[in-house]
Amino acid sequence: GENVEQHPSTLSVQEGDSAVIKCTYSDSASNYFPWYKQELGKRPQLIIDIRSNVGEKKDQRIAVTLNKTAKHFSLHITETQPEDSAVYFCAAAISGNTPLVFGKGTRLSVIA
Amino acid sequence: EAQVTQNPRYLITVTGKKLTVTCSQNMNHEYMSWYRQDPGLGLRQIYYSMNVEVTDKGDVPEGYKVSRKEKRNFPLILESPSPNQTSLYFCASSLEVSYTEAFFGQGTRLTVV
Repeated sequence: GENVEQHPSTLSVQEGDSAVIKCTYSDSASNYFPWYKQELGKRPQLIIDIRSNVGEKKDQRIAVTLNKTAKHFSLHITETQPEDSAVYFCAAAISGNTPLVFGKGTRLSVIA
Repeated sequence: EAQVTQNPRYLITVTGKKLTVTCSQNMNHEYMSWYRQDPGLGLRQIYYSMNVEVTDKGDVPEGYKVSRKEKRNFPLILESPSPNQTSLYFCASSLEVSYTEAFFGQGTRLTVV
């Protein structure tokens, strides 16, 4: 089955700097890669996703890149703000076929 | 308002006393699933359901049961809870499996003593 590795487990950045979180997956058939953000005491919520027919997707300060050959994808947050502090989870799946497999999460702290 | 509702939010129980955590969604989603979240281990899937009367084991199903008698409800049953089932539990639903956004419930923090 699918296995998703996520790094780093914790990340601290200064406000205004960029943050990058990386994930690798094992199943080359996976084609759906969402990212979820979980603020302290809250439920996970989808922030961005990418499908294997595109290499990059952006939404304001957030971008996700996908390298299918290397089987890794990354979340990029630019101009970080204190409200970006949260745990971020990547996931991978075969769209419409298999359940999401989540990485172990990255705790991002943005220091003002 | 589109939502996934779990109850209870907090529960403290004793070893061996059967309990049920309810989950209900109002979005007519086909797919529902249960996760447990433990520090350093992320979100691990317990069980999932592709549709009514169709359920499958996830990665950590031992000690849990589920049922899907109606599309909107997907209860999680712990027949004989043990301390290692102390965790934060999330129910989630989506239109289809791994195709669109998964909506999570508020979470249930369970403590088994």
